[in-house]
Amino acid sequence: DAGITQSPRHKVTETGTPVTLRCHQTENHRYMYWYRQDPGHGLRLIHYSYGVKDTDKGEVSDGYSVSRSKTEDFLLTLESATSSQTSVYFCAISDRGTNYGYTFGSGTRLTVV
Amino acid sequence: TQLLEQSPQFLSIQEGENLTVYCNSSSVFSSLQWYRQEPGEGPVLLVTVVTGGEVKKLKRLTFQFGDARKDSSLHITAAQPGDTGLYLCAGARQAGTALIFGKGTTLSVSS
Repeated sequence: DAGITQSPRHKVTETGTPVTLRCHQTENHRYMYWYRQDPGHGLRLIHYSYGVKDTDKGEVSDGYSVSRSKTEDFLLTLESATSSQTSVYFCAISDRGTNYGYTFGSGTRLTVV
Repeated sequence: TQLLEQSPQFLSIQEGENLTVYCNSSSVFSSLQWYRQEPGEGPVLLVTVVTGGEVKKLKRLTFQFGDARKDSSLHITAAQPGDTGLYLCAGARQAGTALIFGKGTTLSVSS
């Protein structure tokens, strides 16, 4: 009954290839976020969305782009994958914004070789 | 610069012991949240504190928000092996922006 799903759960890709990760929600929440989690750095914000076609950059947005054409889907694209983008990527959703907490997906483990 | 500093980074204790995890900053937050994350899963929200000095209790877990809204603590009483996991604090600096996370405290409780 997960209200948020990420796909794929695992992916191995080659340096220089484009990669798209998908976050899908069934909660009709307005806000969606992409974070990456790395040892020694914790969770860092890549991009977020506050509505359909409304997005903004986060702390580590270089090399990433996002799109949100429907409320339920938030796509994260690595335009040309690099080894430094090997990470675990988490999507999160929120209905009333930051002060009210996030619901996270189970993550996508991406390895760039 | 890490806006939210968590300590300790690692904690290994025996079942039944008490522990406190700290989350400190020089910045003021409109709210602070605590999450727990298990391996291979996303973080799960435990609590949100929004008022300076606020104390919330969730069974054996007690959360406190500092009077100046710059820091928070998580106290676990009589820890159990099921409490094992990564504990993350996260702060919201103003409405409409995204959460900032600390690096986390890895807790291991052995029986």
